[in-house]
Amino acid sequence: AQTVTQSQPEMSVQEAETVTLSCTYDTSESDYYLFWYKQPPSRQMILVIRQEAYKQQNATENRFSVNFQKAAKSFSLKISDSQLGDAAMYFCAYRSKKLVFGKGTKLTVNP
Amino acid sequence: NAGVTQTPKFRVLKTGQSMTLLCAQDMNHEYMYWYRQDPGMGLRLIHYSVGEGTTAKGEVPDGYNVSRLKKQNFLLGLESAAPSQTSVYFCASSANRMRKTQYFGPGTRLLVL
Repeated sequence: AQTVTQSQPEMSVQEAETVTLSCTYDTSESDYYLFWYKQPPSRQMILVIRQEAYKQQNATENRFSVNFQKAAKSFSLKISDSQLGDAAMYFCAYRSKKLVFGKGTKLTVNP
Repeated sequence: NAGVTQTPKFRVLKTGQSMTLLCAQDMNHEYMYWYRQDPGMGLRLIHYSVGEGTTAKGEVPDGYNVSRLKKQNFLLGLESAAPSQTSVYFCASSANRMRKTQYFGPGTRLLVL
């Protein structure tokens, strides 16, 4: 069974600094997708970034980028120039036949 | 374009009561999903649907039923609510299951006393 592990229950970062959230996953599949979702206090799940496993190039979306290491089954999220609005729970997710979530990392942004 | 909407936003039930959560999407998506989220955990799939008139079980289907009579709506029913069903429920939809991103609704917070 596929599993997703986020080893950092909580992280904090100073405003304008950079932070990296870790995610590892376990799978025997070769074709899959990886996602980072953000869940602010409003509880809505918001897609931050998506990576196709067959693509070697790391996905980027403005201040958000990933470090995808397929052989190591690692998918970390880097947030540059952190803003107060980035404070939220961040969930890593893996998808082949179904979407599997990690338990989340709570990110605090300090002014 | 409202995306995915959920009704109600919050509900309190007594043990044994029944209720239905409504999910609606206006993106013409084929696939729809119901998840629950509990403290310290990610989302877990309850049931899903791959098209109008079809439903299938996810990871944690016990105690829930679903129906997809119309493509745009996916209903989640609790026939006899239990305190263990206290959770936040999220609906999601996607164009298809494998290739496309799932879009989530705002969630429904359910408290069963």
